[in-house]
Amino acid sequence: GENVEQHPSTLSVQEGDSAVIKCTYSDSASNYFPWYKQELGKGPQLIIDIRSNVGEKKDQRIAVTLNKTAKHFSLHITETQPEDSAVYFCAASMGGGSQGNLIFGKGTKLSVKP
Amino acid sequence: SQTIHQWPATLVQPVGSPLSLECTVEGTSNPNLYWYRQAAGRGLQLLFYSVGIGQISSEVPQNLSASRPQDRQFILSSKKLLLSDSGFYLCAWSRWGGSYEQYFGPGTRLTVT
Repeated sequence: GENVEQHPSTLSVQEGDSAVIKCTYSDSASNYFPWYKQELGKGPQLIIDIRSNVGEKKDQRIAVTLNKTAKHFSLHITETQPEDSAVYFCAASMGGGSQGNLIFGKGTKLSVKP
Repeated sequence: SQTIHQWPATLVQPVGSPLSLECTVEGTSNPNLYWYRQAAGRGLQLLFYSVGIGQISSEVPQNLSASRPQDRQFILSSKKLLLSDSGFYLCAWSRWGGSYEQYFGPGTRLTVT
């Protein structure tokens, strides 16, 4: 089955710097790659996603890139702010319905120091 | 707009007691529904998913069961809790018909003592 590896497990940056979190997946049939942000004690919030027919997607300060050949995808956060501090999870799936079950990485705890 | 609710928010139960966690979704019909568990410092593990009333698929063998008595209601249960059942339980939904995006509820923190 699918396996998703996420690195690093913790990341500390200064406010205003960029942060990059990387994930690799094992199943070449996976075609959907979301990123979630989880604040302490809350449920994960979908912040951006990408499908396998796209190489990059951007939404204001966050962007996701996908390399299908290498089977890895990354989250990029620019101009980080203290409110970006949270745990970020990547995930992979093979589409909707019963095939849409997400396989998650173990998460990255991002700390943004003011 | 769609809203997902979970209750209770927190729960402390003794070993051997029963469990019932509830999840409801508003603003959509025939959603796919999911139960995940998140252990401390770890990722999310899919426990059950449902594509319709009475249709439950289990991803891992365990002490828990799930039911879907109504279109937008998903229940997680146990007859006798174990210490290892402690964790953060999350319900999620996605749109019926092959939708990719999953949206999570606020979660239930379960502590088994």
